[in-house]
Amino acid sequence: GAGVSQTPSNKVTEKGKYVELRCDPISGHTALYWYRQSLGQGPEFLIYFQGTGAADDSGLPNDRFFAVRPEGSVSTLKIQRTERGDSAVYLCASSFGNRESTEAFFGQGTRLTVV
Amino acid sequence: DAKTTQPNSMESNEEEPVHLPCNHSTISGTDYIHWYRQLPSQGPEYVIHGLTSNVNNRMASLAIAEDRKSSTLILHRATLRDAAVYYCILRDVWRDDKIIFGKGTRLHILP
Repeated sequence: GAGVSQTPSNKVTEKGKYVELRCDPISGHTALYWYRQSLGQGPEFLIYFQGTGAADDSGLPNDRFFAVRPEGSVSTLKIQRTERGDSAVYLCASSFGNRESTEAFFGQGTRLTVV
Repeated sequence: DAKTTQPNSMESNEEEPVHLPCNHSTISGTDYIHWYRQLPSQGPEYVIHGLTSNVNNRMASLAIAEDRKSSTLILHRATLRDAAVYYCILRDVWRDDKIIFGKGTRLHILP
């Protein structure tokens, strides 16, 4: 596809369950970012990949959150033992990741609701 | 991370120019100034970026103060579709390439 694709678009899960959120970046983009956004707030940085490695995971709120990007393309954000406070829109973005500071392209997000 | 300060909200009339201010008094020499906007129920989208000189593209213009401690995003002729939250962001690609969003400015366009 032409843009960043996130699946599913909506996910409802029960408290305590495990969820996986998927991000397909734009082909050729080496940098990939995960954010979460609560209503009325700006996107909150979670983690940033350069290739397969996590360049900065300082935004992950606790050890229930984990993200992988094993082949340097698709990424999965994993949340264990979900809590109601995890309910938010999870956004993924990708960019070429070079030092000329090019734009990042965002997906439409996955709306996660923990009930 | 260098911080930016923006007004919480602004209003403008349709078909008039809009000037969205951003203060970044602690900007470093390698920080680029980026602007993104987020339309309702959409992911953020890139608008424009610059380092020192003013920049123009098809969406907007970016005016950067000579001391780089402030900048202004200019929409030359606002339409109802420009109603969005506008984020001013500093990116230091030589240190790391995180994109850190603040609260942004919610722009309301009046018909």
